[in-house]
Amino acid sequence: GAVVSQHPSWVICKSGTSVKIECRSLDFQATTMFWYRQFPKQSLMLMATSNEGSKATYEQGVEKDKFLINHASLTLSTLTVTSAHPEDSSFYICSARGTWEETQYFGPGTRLLVL
Amino acid sequence: QKEVEQDPGPLSVPEGAIVSLNCTYSNSAFQYFMWYRQYSRKGPELLMYTYSSGNKEDGRFTAQVDKSSKYISLFIRDSQPSDSATYLCAMSIGQFYFGTGTSLTVIP
Repeated sequence: GAVVSQHPSWVICKSGTSVKIECRSLDFQATTMFWYRQFPKQSLMLMATSNEGSKATYEQGVEKDKFLINHASLTLSTLTVTSAHPEDSSFYICSARGTWEETQYFGPGTRLLVL
Repeated sequence: QKEVEQDPGPLSVPEGAIVSLNCTYSNSAFQYFMWYRQYSRKGPELLMYTYSSGNKEDGRFTAQVDKSSKYISLFIRDSQPSDSATYLCAMSIGQFYFGTGTSLTVIP
């Protein structure tokens, strides 16, 4: 149990385009999901916390207009990188908070490359 | 002072060795403690979850929490090359706090 999926697993796009990443909790309902960014050999960097049915809470320094997060259902959250630029290239990982224990279950990650 | 401190390593051990990974923390209110394993280019995978103090064992893995010292450990017995990964500690009190991760290499 406690499986979180992400789609796509990797994406290459041109500068200026928008990219949407989906995060799904497959076998449990997640009222809270998190989005992280990770650069090579570096730690997780929390970007935002999203609660189902409400606006996401962004960490300091994260542009909310650039990284749009929607958590429309208890099993799906999406991250849209708008007008992507090469500096947005990174590994994006989502996680879902467990409903029966205080922990997070992570997705496999999405590798974004902006050319 | 960071909420959670973790030695980044890298740590390199021969196959079969016992590995000890550690984190210290500053907030005595933490009640939930986790260890994650992250392989390169993958999302972290939950290994161990502990509530409050004490030990928890799962196969070759043992998680230990010492709240009096604000210190948590993950022990890996009979380490295998497949254990080579980055190990992240995490703790929670409503909000989650992650260590920076320790890179482990088990040499065959």
